Amino acid sequence: AQKVTQAQTEISVVEKEDVTLDCVYETRDTTYYLFWYKQPPSGELVFLIRRNSFDEQNEISGRYSWNFQKSTSSFNFTITASQVVDSAVYFCALRSNSGYSTLTFGKGTMLLVSP
Amino acid sequence: EAGVAQSPRYKIIEKRQSVAFWCNPISGHATLYWYQQILGQGPKLLIQFQNNGVVDDSQLPKDRFSAERLKGVDSTLKIQPAKLEDSAVYLCASSWTGGSTEAFFGQGTRLTVV
Repeated sequence: AQKVTQAQTEISVVEKEDVTLDCVYETRDTTYYLFWYKQPPSGELVFLIRRNSFDEQNEISGRYSWNFQKSTSSFNFTITASQVVDSAVYFCALRSNSGYSTLTFGKGTMLLVSP
Repeated sequence: EAGVAQSPRYKIIEKRQSVAFWCNPISGHATLYWYQQILGQGPKLLIQFQNNGVVDDSQLPKDRFSAERLKGVDSTLKIQPAKLEDSAVYLCASSWTGGSTEAFFGQGTRLTVV
């Protein structure tokens, strides 16, 4: 069985602060994929990044960066110099590579960035 | 490239009534998903199609929910009869086949059962 845990329910920061969103996962599969999605107030889930289990290189995209550590089953997401537009709910998700596997989501972390 | 289309955006019904949601996935995407997202929670998979076949419906309340994907393209999710606890956002998503592919989501249908 797959499980994704996002322990932080809500985080509030002031604009320009850095913020890290935590994600811990459980899976018995050796090959799997991790994802982060953003859900702004409009409601649509927006894909941010995909990471496969055999590539532990960290990734940076503008103000976003992701830290994947297989040893601790974590896939954390950092926003540098946060902006008000970053306010949203962020979801971490997991899918194995076996068959037609399910995309399993965590409960999400609501990020509030105030000016 | 057009995204995943869903309709309606909002629906209010009384308990015990029936309701149907429609989804048109991204062209060429063989996998289609229906998720239920209750306020404050993450999306929960209701049913997953591969072309027009069901590959996972383990969390679908089959006594009241049904879904079909005719000709492997559009899909309809139906609730009959609705309960108060069915109030949620129903999200449709699609993807290419394979674990590595990300799913693309529609804007969802917000259902309120009163």
